[in-house]
Amino acid sequence: DTEVTQTPKHLVMGMTNKKSLKCEQHMGHRAMYWYKQKAKKPPELMFVYSYEKLSINESVPSRFSPECPNSSLLNLHLHALQPEDSALYLCASSPYTRDYGYTFGSGTRLTVV
Amino acid sequence: GNSVTQMEGPVTLSEEAFLTINCTYTATGYPSLFWYVQYPGEGLQLLLKATKADDKGSNKGFEATYRKETTSFHLEKGSVQVSDSAVYFCALIPIQGAQKLVFGQGTRLTINP
Repeated sequence: DTEVTQTPKHLVMGMTNKKSLKCEQHMGHRAMYWYKQKAKKPPELMFVYSYEKLSINESVPSRFSPECPNSSLLNLHLHALQPEDSALYLCASSPYTRDYGYTFGSGTRLTVV
Repeated sequence: GNSVTQMEGPVTLSEEAFLTINCTYTATGYPSLFWYVQYPGEGLQLLLKATKADDKGSNKGFEATYRKETTSFHLEKGSVQVSDSAVYFCALIPIQGAQKLVFGQGTRLTINP
């Protein structure tokens, strides 16, 4: 299995809702990442988990809450989002060696109404 | 700091034309270099990579050579197809510090039949 699987593919949520994005990989990678991508822009790093511990938080607002239940799963919990949070959310994984690069999922297209 | 600069887009070519997308980087030592491709509505796919000077990465007819003397990693393809229409991102992982993928701004490529 050489894929990163993200669910759901599309999500529409109101500003008072709570929802979660899910990401799964079975490549034995020890690092997992959340990115946010706005239209016509490169992905922006949000969080990094290495060996199941949060190692990087790029000053992301607390309405985004990551969780890594085990080495294969990564969640992003969403609460009280704003319309400007609408974007493509990408999950990625890597073996945490700089020569390998990251494997990305196909993303969740989030719309906040 | 570490950064990647790509040629401004969008780029529009006719089918079977020769493609070059320029990429230069700023980083200490010998970072690992990558090209990612993003097709409409999808996540990022690793296209090719190079991890040391003079390495040539290649995949699907695309090539890029790691040039330390010019700090460049230009993407080339001899004969493009309509199916190559996508956004291309040059990226690096530095040798020091956190293993964060640093992206260029992306180049949108459109191939006309």
